[in-house]
Formats: sequence, C-alpha cells, structure tokens
Amino acid sequence: SAVISQKPSRDICQRGTSLTIQCQVDSQVTMMFWYRQQPGQSLTLIATANQGSEATYESGFVIDKFPISRPNLTFSTLTVSNMSPEDSSIYLCSVEDPDRPSGGYTFGSGTRLTVV
Amino acid sequence: SQQGEEDPQALSIQEGENATMNCSYKTSINNLQWYRQNSGRGLVHLILIRSNEREKHSGRLRVTLDTSKKSSSLLITASRAADTASYFCATSGTYKYIFGTGTRLKVLA
Repeated sequence: SAVISQKPSRDICQRGTSLTIQCQVDSQVTMMFWYRQQPGQSLTLIATANQGSEATYESGFVIDKFPISRPNLTFSTLTVSNMSPEDSSIYLCSVEDPDRPSGGYTFGSGTRLTVV
Repeated sequence: SQQGEEDPQALSIQEGENATMNCSYKTSINNLQWYRQNSGRGLVHLILIRSNEREKHSGRLRVTLDTSKKSSSLLITASRAADTASYFCATSGTYKYIFGTGTRLKVLA
C-alpha cells in the first residue's frame, strides 16, 4: 500500500506563530486530505487538496487560517497560521490508496501540535 | 451533524475474549471502513465493506453492515494486548469520509 511520510511528528509552538506540516506520498495521487483531531475527539476534515487548483475547505475552516499547497501529485503542505492554544491537535494527511485493491485510505503518522 | 456514533465509547476486556464495537450513521453510504489508531498516531486501515455487502472477514476481524438500520459492527476475536487502541468507523457518501466518535479498546493481559 501507499506510504506517507509526514513531518514534523510533533512540535510545541508559541501562540501567534505558524507551523507548516508536510506530507510526501510514495505514489501519485489525485486528492490529498487534511484532518484535525482535537484531544480525545474524532477526526474532522479540514480540506481536500487537488494538484493544480485551490484546496476545497470544509465548513468552519478557512484558507487564511489553514493555507494548503499542492505543488505536485506526491506532496502537500498544511500551514496552521497565527496559532492559539485551541489549535492544539493532531493533524493528519490522508490519501485514497491506489495500491490497495480493496479500497481504503492511508494516513500519515500525524503531527501532534501543542500551542503554548 | 453527519458524524457517526460509536458505542461503547470505551471497552475493557481480558486477553482472549472477543470485542464488539458498533457504529451508527445517518446518511446513505457507498461504503464503510474501520480504522485503528494507536496512541494518537496515524490511522491504520482495517477493512472496507461496501453498501451491497452484509459481512466481511479479515483474519480475526469480522465486520457486518446493516444498511436498513444504518449500522455496522466490528468484532475482534481472541483479542490480544496489541489490539489495545482506538477504533473508528468512517462512512463515505461522495468523495470524503466522515469519521465516527471512536471506541477506546483496552485489552488486559
């Protein structure tokens, strides 16, 4: 199945600063998905990133706060801007796995963000 | 909200016992998937069941789907300490998945 390298795995950041999270996939994929998982909660989709076009954001998420880049079919970044303690979460990228015949999504290992 | 509900929220069993967790959802789906998450890390895909399937097996895992009740169950047989994790169902309507609230499973050695 596809392998995703997500960096950084964790970070502690000062409020008001920004953090960029990277995901590299070992195969070409059309769509990449970015999720947020707040402490003790389930996953919430932030946006869908397509190569060559602007990301599609879900209700409650805006581009100014979570700008996304998708320069090619194997890479994407998510930036968490002007952070506050409420942004402390695990952020995960995901792709529909092209190498799994039975379907399903593959996830990166997650970025655990703590804002102080 | 479209988010699925899972129950129980938490489950603690002895090694060797079976663990059953349930997922209910609200809208029509194309398929339903189950994922495992260890210690707040990335999710691992376990099994996908399509809307026209009723039951699926993979190793010690058995998944059922009842579209008339909009519910699914995940059974883990002969549980092991390594099965300790959070388990999430995810339902697909269009191109994106909606994740359930999760069940935290603890298997005691």
